[in-house]
Amino acid sequence: DQQVKQNSPSLSVQEGRISILNCDYTNSMFDYFLWYKKYPAEGPTFLISISSIKDKNEDGRFTVFLNKSAKHLSLHIVPSQPGDSAVYFCAASGLHSGGGADGLTFGKGTHLIIQP
Amino acid sequence: GAGVSQTPSNKVTEKGKYVELRCDPISGHTALYWYRQSLGQGPEFLIYFQGTGAADDSGLPNDRFFAVRPEGSVSTLKIQRTERGDSAVYLCASSGGAQETQYFGPGTRLLVL
Repeated sequence: DQQVKQNSPSLSVQEGRISILNCDYTNSMFDYFLWYKKYPAEGPTFLISISSIKDKNEDGRFTVFLNKSAKHLSLHIVPSQPGDSAVYFCAASGLHSGGGADGLTFGKGTHLIIQP
Repeated sequence: GAGVSQTPSNKVTEKGKYVELRCDPISGHTALYWYRQSLGQGPEFLIYFQGTGAADDSGLPNDRFFAVRPEGSVSTLKIQRTERGDSAVYLCASSGGAQETQYFGPGTRLLVL
């Protein structure tokens, strides 16, 4: 049973436009959420995170929104650039969420393709 | 400063053999994690160390998998009697402490023939 779901395996966006990546979770004990970016043959790179006490966190072109009542978060990238083409993973953790103390629970990822 | 490093970057072995995968965390990071990523999946938690002790090994799939971190820095993931289903990318991450951001290494790609 997947506790973190990324329902779009891939997303294609034109350069300069906004990219919106979505993530849903089922475990109400999750209280910390992160987005990682991954290029082929490399490890995931941390992008941005958000605590459950907030509903928005912004860092440059990247903004993460959290809707706790809907158990949904999204990553907005604006404007999208060719170097943003990668696989994006949503991850979650929580002290009492199970699945390994502070180990992260990941979604399956969304492959973002930025079209020139 | 240097990030998380993992060796080897690639490992090919035969079914039934023993393998060791090494992780060097970011200097000063007390927490260390191992994950496994199969094709088309996200990373899956295996084990978490706080210092030298395994604080949580609930993600290890069976007793063929074992990990150590004897001096609280470098960690080794050991897999006995490898099976073809163990083929995956094994990722290591470290953080400054519990509930802090985890930084990942490049991974070791294990192929069991």
